[in-house]
Amino acid sequence: GESVGLHLPTLSVQEGDNSIINCAYSNSASDYFIWYKQESGKGPQFIIDIRSNMDKRQGQRVTVLLNKTVKHLSLQIAATQPGDSAVYFCAENRGHGQNFVFGPGTRLSVLP
Amino acid sequence: KAGVTQTPRYLIKTRGQQVTLSCSPISGHRSVSWYQQTPGQGLQFLFEYFSETQRNKGNFPGRFSGRQFSNSRSEMNVSTLELGDSALYLCASSTGTSGRETQYFGPGTRLLVL
Repeated sequence: GESVGLHLPTLSVQEGDNSIINCAYSNSASDYFIWYKQESGKGPQFIIDIRSNMDKRQGQRVTVLLNKTVKHLSLQIAATQPGDSAVYFCAENRGHGQNFVFGPGTRLSVLP
Repeated sequence: KAGVTQTPRYLIKTRGQQVTLSCSPISGHRSVSWYQQTPGQGLQFLFEYFSETQRNKGNFPGRFSGRQFSNSRSEMNVSTLELGDSALYLCASSTGTSGRETQYFGPGTRLLVL
């Protein structure tokens, strides 16, 4: 079944191209951020995280950039594949235990 | 290592009833958080339990409650169900030691209130 909202921002990319998904966060006190991927009918899956003492972190095919000045987070996916099609969420931790605030999500659609 | 498991996966209830959902965290994880996911509101934090104590709470009415057992398994209960409680309920586990760590989600329980 549908996992998330019907009117999410959608990013369509060609297979093999790079994808950039953006997220604005609201609280300047947030010091830990996570990107999740959610496929239809499944729970969010951890992709990559970053703490506020860093501005860039790389994983396998993914890179997260953090700009604390403008409170902006981005997820870059290299060589996007059909299996990357999903909804992507950023989550910020505002320093009150395991209380994460999630962004609205972006639907990534990979075109063949 | 087995992931987070949630039971049941699907549930249909009627208004006014109550429901209990269960979550088994990853082995060794002591923190369990619950979230509600709806198309309109997205993912919203309900509460977090650590070592059988509620450590954090979101902005949900008192009809939503939870508990955690000594083996770290957690349950959440919703009493006097309303139509608006229809949602995907997700639990996430983490080690919980520092209070701000990676959370791993289960597949969710989809609740439909008629």
